[in-house]
Amino acid sequence: SYELTQPPSVSVSPGQTASITCSGDKLGDKYTCWYQQKPGQSPVLVIYQDSKRPSGIPERFSGSNSGNTATLTISGTQAMDEADYYCQAWDSSTLYVFGGGTKVTVL
Amino acid sequence: EVQLVESGGGLVQPGGSLRLSCAASGFTFSSYWMHWVRQAPGKGLVWVSRINSDGNSADYTDSVKGRFTISRDNAKNTLYLQMNSLRAEDTAVYYCARRESTALDYWGQGTLVTVSS
Repeated sequence: SYELTQPPSVSVSPGQTASITCSGDKLGDKYTCWYQQKPGQSPVLVIYQDSKRPSGIPERFSGSNSGNTATLTISGTQAMDEADYYCQAWDSSTLYVFGGGTKVTVL
Repeated sequence: EVQLVESGGGLVQPGGSLRLSCAASGFTFSSYWMHWVRQAPGKGLVWVSRINSDGNSADYTDSVKGRFTISRDNAKNTLYLQMNSLRAEDTAVYYCARRESTALDYWGQGTLVTVSS
């Protein structure tokens, strides 16, 4: 079965850039999206189709996907960005797979 | 405003059954594929099942195949998940979500299913 690997945690200082990676075999050939989940809340879509932002998502969130790695980048990280982030991949054979999640801490 | 409201969770004994519901509003429900995703306490997201807009095609993750059945009633704008032969490892918050393109763009608040004797 297909697997996506994320680092368990990432720490970032306020105003700095946080990069969260998601690795999988030939992930660049699949569509990847990212979800933000704050404690006690439902997930929120922040990036879809590798790099597109839904309406209402701040421009500081961006995404890329190439080779075996997709990356979510949060530029100018704010305290409100502290959350768990999950990548998810889709293709016709994989259907839907989530990464294990990355806890972003804003120090 | 898009709203998805799950219900039907609760405490059930191993081997028991539950039916979850997800009431949709604020969009044309019959035009969208719908999904169930679960999250065990303190753990990550796990995709469970999906159903096409017409309700005549469905897919499941391997661990629930043969035990769970996804369905929908487009006239009632409601998504269902029938869960049979429940196991302790099925304990989780169950979310319904709407599919837009290749992502899940709206999620409900979730309903907790606890399988325990």
